Amino acid sequence: GAVVSQHPSWVICKSGTSVKIECRSLDFQATTMFWYRQFPKQSLMLMATSNEGSKATYEQGVEKDKFLINHASLTLSTLTVTSAHPEDSSFYICSARDPDRTNYGYTFGSGTRLTVV
Amino acid sequence: GEDVEQSLFLSVREGDSSVINCTYTDSSSTYLYWYKQEPGAGLQLLTYIFSNMDMKQDQRLTVLLNKKDKHLSLRIADTQTGDSAIYFCAELHNQGGKLIFGQGTELSVKP
Repeated sequence: GAVVSQHPSWVICKSGTSVKIECRSLDFQATTMFWYRQFPKQSLMLMATSNEGSKATYEQGVEKDKFLINHASLTLSTLTVTSAHPEDSSFYICSARDPDRTNYGYTFGSGTRLTVV
Repeated sequence: GEDVEQSLFLSVREGDSSVINCTYTDSSSTYLYWYKQEPGAGLQLLTYIFSNMDMKQDQRLTVLLNKKDKHLSLRIADTQTGDSAIYFCAELHNQGGKLIFGQGTELSVKP
């Protein structure tokens, strides 16, 4: 149980375009999802907390107009990188919390490799 | 601050034990986790420990928690080449339910 599906696995886009990444909880309902960014050989940096039915909470230094998060249902959160630039190239990972798991289990998606050319 | 710190590299021989160390900062953290990440992949939860526990064993994995020193370790017994990966420790912050990760320890297992 507790599977999180993230799509696409990788995407290449041109500078100035927008890219949407989807994160779905397949067998549980997730009121809260999290979006991380990971640079090569580095740790995961929390970008924002996505709350179903309300606005996302962004970490300090993360541009909310640049990284749009929508959590319209209990099983889907999306991250849209708007007007992408090469410096936005990174590995983006989502995670979702299954509230029925007593260890506050967080399940991660398989990640999206974004390359902006 | 919210720093979780780990050593960056560890190299062991196949069959030996590996010990990966982590220090965390939030004394109110309720859960601490170990995740494994293989190249180009997401994170796989290996094990977790609740803050009122000192030790947890799960097959080849042993987690030790020293709450006084805010020190967490992961021991992998009989390390195999398939264990080569990056290992992250993470603490759960009670405020906001955020997971804060360490930098990751790259484990290299040599045959």
